Order: sequence, then structure tokens, then C-alpha cells
Amino acid sequence: NAGVTQTPKFRVLKTGQSMTLLCAQDMNHEYMYWYRQDPGMGLRLIHYSVGEGTTAKGEVPDGYNVSRLKKQNFLLGLESAAPSQTSVYFCASSYSRVTDTQYFGPGTRLTVL
Amino acid sequence: GDSVTQMEGPVTLSEEAFLTINCTYTATGYPSLFWYVQYPGEGLQLLLKATKADDKGSNKGFEATYRKETTSFHLEKGSVQVSDSAVYFCALRGWSGGYQKVTFGIGTKLQVIP
Repeated sequence: NAGVTQTPKFRVLKTGQSMTLLCAQDMNHEYMYWYRQDPGMGLRLIHYSVGEGTTAKGEVPDGYNVSRLKKQNFLLGLESAAPSQTSVYFCASSYSRVTDTQYFGPGTRLTVL
Repeated sequence: GDSVTQMEGPVTLSEEAFLTINCTYTATGYPSLFWYVQYPGEGLQLLLKATKADDKGSNKGFEATYRKETTSFHLEKGSVQVSDSAVYFCALRGWSGGYQKVTFGIGTKLQVIP
């Protein structure tokens, strides 16, 4: 099992460019999450999904969109990147509830110039 | 809302030293508490957890006790190794805005030197 994988590992964007981060899990988990990790702020939830075809906002959703067209994939999109979105992005998944243990991917380091 | 407080560090210890990383929390109700560990270049991994007051979570020589009276969940290890060098996140699972969510602390970086 690969667990939770994220693509790409690193990316540099210019202000205004768009990109999509891909998260994939092979554990048949229902729930998936996108977090951002910033120095001195811990992890903050951007969006999450409780199943295929569903998405919901977390703490810091502005400037991001997500889609869950397949159960195993959760995409995070930045339509017009801003320097404030420079961060490390982590995807996670859990079996059937928020209360279940979350399994994390290795992260994507994004820099917006 | 819910919050978790821990020092950012870095905490630098010599091998075989005793480790304590403090974690205190603010939450309504009865949250579950967690410690996650992040090794360099990797995602977070669950280290241990406790779901009710006075529970002790333990794993890989680490342990933490859920203290409701002091709203704390301090992480301890009797003898650290170089391989324990990582960032440690305290977290709680509680209710916020009508749904369950996990709130993370800022993470404490631990450096263990030979």
C-alpha cells in the first residue's frame, strides 16, 4: 500500500498563476482533508470531503477550490495564486469519520512569488 | 473556539536525556487528545492518543496522560535517541461550528544530539 500520496512535491508559481494539487489514497477511506502548515501556526484545515462527490469548507477556504470526483482522489485548486498562499500543503484521509485516525501524505511545498 | 498551546522550540537534548514537551488545551466538552510526529520530509504520523480523562497514551517509549483538571497532555520520554529528532504536534478533536474537527498546536521541534 502506498498510503496517501501527493503530487507534486515542490512547485514555484508566479502571482496570478493557477495550479492543482493532487492527493490520492489507496486505503478506501471515505474522508479526505487538505491542510496548510505555516510557521508558528500549526496545521489549518482548508477543505474536507466526507465522501465521493462531496466537499465542505474548513477554517481557511478562501482562495482555494476542491473536487472529489473519485473516492480515492482529492484535488486542491488555486485559481489565482497569491504570495499569502506560500505554504506546505498536506493531504490526509480517515476511514469513515472525523473521529478516526487521520493518515497524512508527505506534503507539497508551494512558493508563490 | 478550541485551541492547543505548545512551545515552538527547538528543544535540544543530548542522547539519553529525559524529554518533556508541554501541551495545554482549551475546549468545550470532552475532547480526545493526540500527539503526532513529523519526521524530516514526511507527513504527520499519529504517535499516541487518549480519549478520556486520566487515560494514558503510550507508544515507542513516549507517553502522555490526559489531565482534565489542568487541561494538559504533556509528552514524555525517559531516554531520547537521535532518531527521535522530529517535530511533535499536540492536537485535540472536538466540536467547532457544529462539526467535529481536529485542532493542531504549532508543533515543537526536537533536536537530539549524540
